[in-house]
Amino acid sequence: AQSVTQLDSHVSVSEGTPVLLRCNYSSSYSPSLFWYVQHPNKGLQLLLKYTSAATLVKGINGFEAEFKKSETSFHLTKPSAHMSDAAEYFCVVSDNSGGGADGLTFGKGTHLIIQP
Amino acid sequence: AAGVIQSPRHLIKEKRETATLKCYPIPRHDTVYWYQQGPGQDPQFLISFYEKMQSDKGSIPDRFSAQQFSDYHSELNMSSLELGDSALYFCASSLGVGTSGRSSYEQYFGPGTRLTVT
Repeated sequence: AQSVTQLDSHVSVSEGTPVLLRCNYSSSYSPSLFWYVQHPNKGLQLLLKYTSAATLVKGINGFEAEFKKSETSFHLTKPSAHMSDAAEYFCVVSDNSGGGADGLTFGKGTHLIIQP
Repeated sequence: AAGVIQSPRHLIKEKRETATLKCYPIPRHDTVYWYQQGPGQDPQFLISFYEKMQSDKGSIPDRFSAQQFSDYHSELNMSSLELGDSALYFCASSLGVGTSGRSSYEQYFGPGTRLTVT
C-alpha cells in the first residue's frame, strides 16, 4: 500500500521569498515520487520526479525536491517565488508494486498563494 | 511537442444517461491511465492499460468500463450516470514499463474532460 501526506493545505508566501511545500510518503516498495502542478481550470503538469537516482531532483521553473528516505519525505522548494507560481501542487507516489502501468496516488494538494 | 488529447473537453449529461470519453496518447506512448478529480479533490486513479490489456485497477465503479484500441487510443464508457459522477476526468499516457517491469516513466496528463451530470 502507498500513501502521501501533504502537511499543509495552504501556503502563503510573498513574491521573491522562498517556497517550501512539505510532503511525506509511505510505500511498501521502492517508490517513484513526483510533484505535479495544477493551475486553475487547467490540467496537471509534471514539475519533477524521483526514481531512485540522485536524491536531489531539479525540475522546471526553478523548483527542486530532495528525497530523504530516513524521513520518508519529498519536500518541494523554490528559492524565490513568482506570481505565476500560484497554483495547486500535488505530491504523488507510485510504489511500482504491480509490475507495470501502476496508477498514481495523489496527496490532497497544497494551495500556494503568492502575495505581491 | 504533441500532448495527450482528450475529447470532448466538456460534456453535459442527465442522470441515468451514458457517456463516452476519448483519450489519444502522445505518439509512441503505449500506456494510458484514467483519473477522476471531483470538485476540490485530488485525482483518483481509475484504471490503466498497457499494450491494449488492462494493467492496473483503482477505484473505478462497476458502471464504468474502458478499453484501449489497436491505435493505443482509449475510451472510458460511463453508464447509469449519477450526480456524483460530475468531475474532471483526466487521461494520462506514458511509455509503459520498459524492460525492468517498473513503471518508472512519468505520466503526461491531458487537459481533461469536464463532465457535468444534471
